[in-house]
Amino acid sequence: QKEVEQNSGPLSVPEGAIASLNCTYSDRGSQSFFWYRQYSGKSPELIMFIYSNGDKEDGRFTAQLNKASQYVSLLIRDSQPSDSATYLCAVNGNQFYFGTGTSLTVIP
Amino acid sequence: GAGVSQSPSNKVTEKGKDVELRCDPISGHTALYWYRQSLGQGLEFLIYFQGNSAPDKSGLPSDRFSAERTGGSVSTLTIQRTQQEDSAVYLCASSLAKALLPRNQPQHFGDGTRLSIL
Repeated sequence: QKEVEQNSGPLSVPEGAIASLNCTYSDRGSQSFFWYRQYSGKSPELIMFIYSNGDKEDGRFTAQLNKASQYVSLLIRDSQPSDSATYLCAVNGNQFYFGTGTSLTVIP
Repeated sequence: GAGVSQSPSNKVTEKGKDVELRCDPISGHTALYWYRQSLGQGLEFLIYFQGNSAPDKSGLPSDRFSAERTGGSVSTLTIQRTQQEDSAVYLCASSLAKALLPRNQPQHFGDGTRLSIL
């Protein structure tokens, strides 16, 4: 079992819709959770981080954490074509583990 | 500089040669990470430096790989006797690292070094 699991996609949503990206992790002792966006040929860029159960909102982005279910998600409201990228979930367990990413395409 | 700086941005070398990749972290960031990302794959952790502590080398794939960090700032990743499977983008990241939870801080990435072994 991988430390961090993501659906590789591709996930396609129409412009203006809500994109929902999901991530599960195996280490119950994990303390911090991150979402990175990576455009093709570019390095990962931090979007959100969350430490506590519940929701954390920043503009069009909402991170959701449920430690009991070992589940973290990222919602993107009013999706734009510029949101098209691969989204990496990262979790701090004994090490810093990255998922393999979910490819998101926002269709104009 | 304002961000993490990596050099060179691209490196092409022949199989069997040694290569050195450089990372200059964000000023004041005490934690530094190296990752490898092969085409279409996720990030593979290589090594982690935190202040003056012994580095976490658990992700280095073989003894051909080594890294050092001088003066708590610039880091160099060295790959000896390169193999074709070493071809990848090598990413460096840095973060502020609070004493009690050094790994809990967000990481900021450089643009990477694209390494191609012929």
